[in-house]
Amino acid sequence: AQSVAQPEDQVNVAEGNPLTVKCTYSVSGNPYLFWYVQYPNRGLQFLLKYITGDNLVKGSYGFEAEFNKSQTSFHLKKPSALVSDSALYFCAVSGPGTNAGKSTFGDGTTLTVKP
Amino acid sequence: DAGITQSPRHKVTETGTPVTLRCHQTENHRYMYWYRQDPGHGLRLIHYSYGVKDTDKGEVSDGYSVSRSKTEDFLLTLESATSSQTSVYFCAISEQGVNYEQYFGPGTRLTVT
Repeated sequence: AQSVAQPEDQVNVAEGNPLTVKCTYSVSGNPYLFWYVQYPNRGLQFLLKYITGDNLVKGSYGFEAEFNKSQTSFHLKKPSALVSDSALYFCAVSGPGTNAGKSTFGDGTTLTVKP
Repeated sequence: DAGITQSPRHKVTETGTPVTLRCHQTENHRYMYWYRQDPGHGLRLIHYSYGVKDTDKGEVSDGYSVSRSKTEDFLLTLESATSSQTSVYFCAISEQGVNYEQYFGPGTRLTVT
C-alpha cells in the first residue's frame, strides 16, 4: 500500500523568507510524486511533479521540490515567500503498479505567509 | 483552467434521501475521479473511472455508487444520504493515469441534515 505523510499541519513564514513544506512517502517501486495547492474555497491546482530524472523539480509560481530517494522525501520549497502563497498544500504519491493513476494524498499543510 | 464543472455547487439534503452529483469535462480525458475532502483527512478517493462504463472503488466507497455512460460525464450517487457524508466533494480528471497530474473541479459542498 502507498502512503504519504505531511508531518506539519501548519507552517508559518514571514514574507520574503524561504519556505519548506515537508512530505515523506511510502510506495512499492519508483514513485510518482505530486504537489497540489488549494486556495480558499477553490479546487486543487497542480503545482509540480516528479516522475524521473533530475531530483530538483521546478513548477508553477516559483515553487520547486527536491526528491530524495534515500530519505523517501519530496519537500516543497520556495526561495522567497509571498503573502499570496498562503494556502493549503497537498503532497500525493502513486506507484508504477497503481491502477488508473490512483494517487494517495497527504492530509495537507496550511501555509501562512505573514507580511 | 481545465474544463471541469461540477453540479450542483451546493446542496442541502435530508438523511435517507438519494443524491446525485455530476462532473462534466470538456478535455476528453480518459480517467475521472471522485474525492471527498474532510478536515484532518485530506482527500480520500471514493470511486474512479478508467473509461466509459469502467469504474472501480476507492478507499471510502461504502454508501456511494458511480456511473459513466459518456466520456465527459461522471456521476456520483449517494444511495441514502447520511450525516457522515456531509463533506466537500471534488471531481478530478487525468489524461493518462499513473504518472500524469490530476485536474480538479471547483467542488460541491454537500450538507446532510
